[in-house]
Amino acid sequence: NAGVTQTPKFQVLKTGQSMTLQCAQDMNHNSMYWYRQDPGMGLRLIYYSASEGTTDKGEVPNGYNVSRLNKREFSLRLESAAPSQTSVYFCASSDSPRSDTQYFGPGTRLTVL
Amino acid sequence: GQQLNQSPQSMFIQEGEDVSMNCTSSSIFNTWLWYKQDPGEGPVLLIALYKAGELTSNGRLTAQFGITRKDSFLNISASIPSDVGIYFCAGSYAGSNYKLTFGKGTLLTVNP
Repeated sequence: NAGVTQTPKFQVLKTGQSMTLQCAQDMNHNSMYWYRQDPGMGLRLIYYSASEGTTDKGEVPNGYNVSRLNKREFSLRLESAAPSQTSVYFCASSDSPRSDTQYFGPGTRLTVL
Repeated sequence: GQQLNQSPQSMFIQEGEDVSMNCTSSSIFNTWLWYKQDPGEGPVLLIALYKAGELTSNGRLTAQFGITRKDSFLNISASIPSDVGIYFCAGSYAGSNYKLTFGKGTLLTVNP
């Protein structure tokens, strides 16, 4: 039981490049989330998926897209990376959208030059 | 959206000391959660609180859901070096559709 896994762990991009961050969970959770964490800040919600087939914007969705591929997997895509997207990205999952208890992955550290 | 004020921002203590940190909000929260984040890792849930006045322990950690529902406290007793990390409070409020709002974290350093 690996919990929430994320790939890659580190990534460096040039401005304008695109990439997809992958997230998978093996806890049979319905809801999944993408957050970004910046120095001195808390976690800010980018997008979330309350259940398979649905996605909704969070607090800071601009510049990102998401895909809920199936119940296990939720990916985050940067179409044209910008330096302002340099951050640590965390994926999380929970039993249901009514569950406040979220479990986090280890994070992806992204640098955009 | 709602904001959580978490304090202190950082603490530097000696091993064996007790630690207290808190979060406050201008609005009523229905749930309070406390997470710990080790360097290079994702946050790990420590304690979840669901009722006003609730006091819950997890080993040396004790957290309380404030009676006004606008604050929460986390205490760590007899700190040890592995307590080092960033502690985050988080909560959900009516109308948030169960999405969490996070505090900015308290960085705890424990001197052996």
